[in-house]
Amino acid sequence: GDSVTQMEGPVTLSEEAFLTINCTYTATGYPSLFWYVQYPGEGLQLLLKATKADDKGSNKGFEATYRKETTSFHLEKGSVQVSDSAVYFCALIGSGGGADGLTFGKGTHLIIQP
Amino acid sequence: EPEVTQTPSHQVTQMGQEVILRCVPISNHLYFYWYRQILGQKVEFLVSFYNNEISEKSEIFDDQFSVERPDGSNFTLKIRSTKLEDSAMYFCASRRGGNMQPQHFGDGTRLSIL
Repeated sequence: GDSVTQMEGPVTLSEEAFLTINCTYTATGYPSLFWYVQYPGEGLQLLLKATKADDKGSNKGFEATYRKETTSFHLEKGSVQVSDSAVYFCALIGSGGGADGLTFGKGTHLIIQP
Repeated sequence: EPEVTQTPSHQVTQMGQEVILRCVPISNHLYFYWYRQILGQKVEFLVSFYNNEISEKSEIFDDQFSVERPDGSNFTLKIRSTKLEDSAMYFCASRRGGNMQPQHFGDGTRLSIL
């Protein structure tokens, strides 16, 4: 079945550092890919998405490119802020249509220190 | 911006009791979902609901679970006879249209089984 693997956390960085959170996936066909963020005490919020190969999703300074050849969707940000501290989830949904559920990675806890 | 709302935020129940978790999806959305996240583990898909019936369900969604959309706004998850291992955060999500569109999540209900 489909699966998502993302780097284990916690990841601790200083403010203004460059961020990469790795995400790779296994799926048949052409899934759509998502990054969700969960701030403390809150639900999952969509951060960005990409629905086909070579698409780049971006939002709030975060970017991720859908790489079909490496089955990856790594999350990057050039300069992180303390307010970016949260848990980040990579997820996919299959290309089969219908009401498929999302397949999530385990989440990466990001801690940004001032 | 419209939101998915879930009640209660925290539910404590004795083992063996029935529990109903409630969700109000975004009003013009057509697909509805339940997920759960056991503490420290990944978010797992339980069930999807479309056109007033279950569309997909995972292996977790056994006979103890049921979903219902009793009126035009609410979407409920019932666990008939709770077990200790049902303790988790339960997230409701909704989606407007096809798979490429993102699912919007509520803040979750923390279910604690004693």
